[in-house]
Amino acid sequence: DAKTTQPPSMDCAEGRAANLPCNHSTISGNEYVYWYRQIHSQGPQYIIHGLKNNETNEMASLIITEDRKSSTLILPHATLRDTAVYYCIVRASGGYQKVTFGTGTKLQVIP
Amino acid sequence: GAVVSQHPSRVICKSGTSVKIECRSLDFQATTMFWYRQFPKQSLMLMATSNEGSKATYEQGVEKDKFLINHASLTLSTLTVTSAHPEDSSFYICSATPDRGYGYTFGSGTRLTVV
Repeated sequence: DAKTTQPPSMDCAEGRAANLPCNHSTISGNEYVYWYRQIHSQGPQYIIHGLKNNETNEMASLIITEDRKSSTLILPHATLRDTAVYYCIVRASGGYQKVTFGTGTKLQVIP
Repeated sequence: GAVVSQHPSRVICKSGTSVKIECRSLDFQATTMFWYRQFPKQSLMLMATSNEGSKATYEQGVEKDKFLINHASLTLSTLTVTSAHPEDSSFYICSATPDRGYGYTFGSGTRLTVV
């Protein structure tokens, strides 16, 4: 799987949009970008994934650059419950591919 | 849908004893499950891939004789930490997916404390 780079920490004011960047410059053509988050002492939670088009669901939006070398996860209106570690992962589809985690970004939402 | 249940959520055991952790896929069948370990303030580290009906595949540096994995059915994988020591104290998490390649679901984790 391609390696990803994320800032170790970010702060965001409650109610504002949180924009979490991820670099994945060695991504291959068949690899998807996945985002998970882990709230303290819980298992990771799937947020969203995409290949090359921007994606949106009830939790977040995913913006992938045209060259696919980086992406941004957007939480449109951050709440205190969004405080968590956010992981960006790149992996190929098909088969039961194992998921390896980088260090992630610790997002602190501030009242 | 796609719920993974992990039990127990926390366990305290004495040094030298063994502890079993269960991971169940509640509403789907999982031929493959994954086991992770997470130390405080660190990321998840993949320990092994559990395969139904066959031997588990362990990541480099993980002792297969210490961390016994059994995947006897399509909905249950177990991780047994044998002869546990304080350094085995950690947060253990399992994951599985109902579909090939999309949206892995994770269990809620097991906090193991060895005293």
